[in-house]
Amino acid sequence: KAGVTQTPRYLIKTRGQQVTLSCSPISGHRSVSWYQQTPGQGLQFLFEYFSETQRNKGNFPGRFSGRQFSNSRSEMNVSTLELGDSALYLCASSLGFGILDTEAFFGQGTRLTVV
Amino acid sequence: GQQVMQIPQYQHVQEGEDFTTYCNSSTTLSNIQWYKQRPGGHPVFLIQLVKSGEVKKQKRLTFQFGEAKKNSSLHITATQTTDVGTYFCAGPRGSQGNLIFGKGTKLSVKP
Repeated sequence: KAGVTQTPRYLIKTRGQQVTLSCSPISGHRSVSWYQQTPGQGLQFLFEYFSETQRNKGNFPGRFSGRQFSNSRSEMNVSTLELGDSALYLCASSLGFGILDTEAFFGQGTRLTVV
Repeated sequence: GQQVMQIPQYQHVQEGEDFTTYCNSSTTLSNIQWYKQRPGGHPVFLIQLVKSGEVKKQKRLTFQFGEAKKNSSLHITATQTTDVGTYFCAGPRGSQGNLIFGKGTKLSVKP
């Protein structure tokens, strides 16, 4: 079956702009989580959506937001970009129904560079 | 808040040497998972451990879950250059399931 698809793969934006990233999970997976990965901080959890509802949120400012559609596809948006937002943004999908259904399948990521 | 810590942060080994990374959680986990991220790639699921004291093997990789379900280890016997990458452990956050990751151990293997 098809894996997790993230678009775009690479993005260059200017400070102050906003950006929207997209993630299509594996068919049948209801949970989509977003992570920010930087060399110094590792994988930092942004938020998780399950059946169109935000189920968990990490410790990021309100400039970071997301949503999930009825087909489980998810988008995350970052407004008023800062240089420090440059990172690899990873989306992971899982079945998400229970505590043991958390095996995460990651997409290739979107490499965002803010200049 | 709930934390998952991994040591060491970096490990450089000669090909053929063994490698171990350790993972410690601040809370008891219902399960623990391990992922590998190759340079330039994305994390890929390796294994999930569920039972207290569980040990699982995948070829040269041995995974252990502690008796108290708060720590885990990954041991690689006779490393190869294909083992290069960052190894992450992860556990479910609270009772809701989304994963909290350790910061990873970056393994480099010198041929």
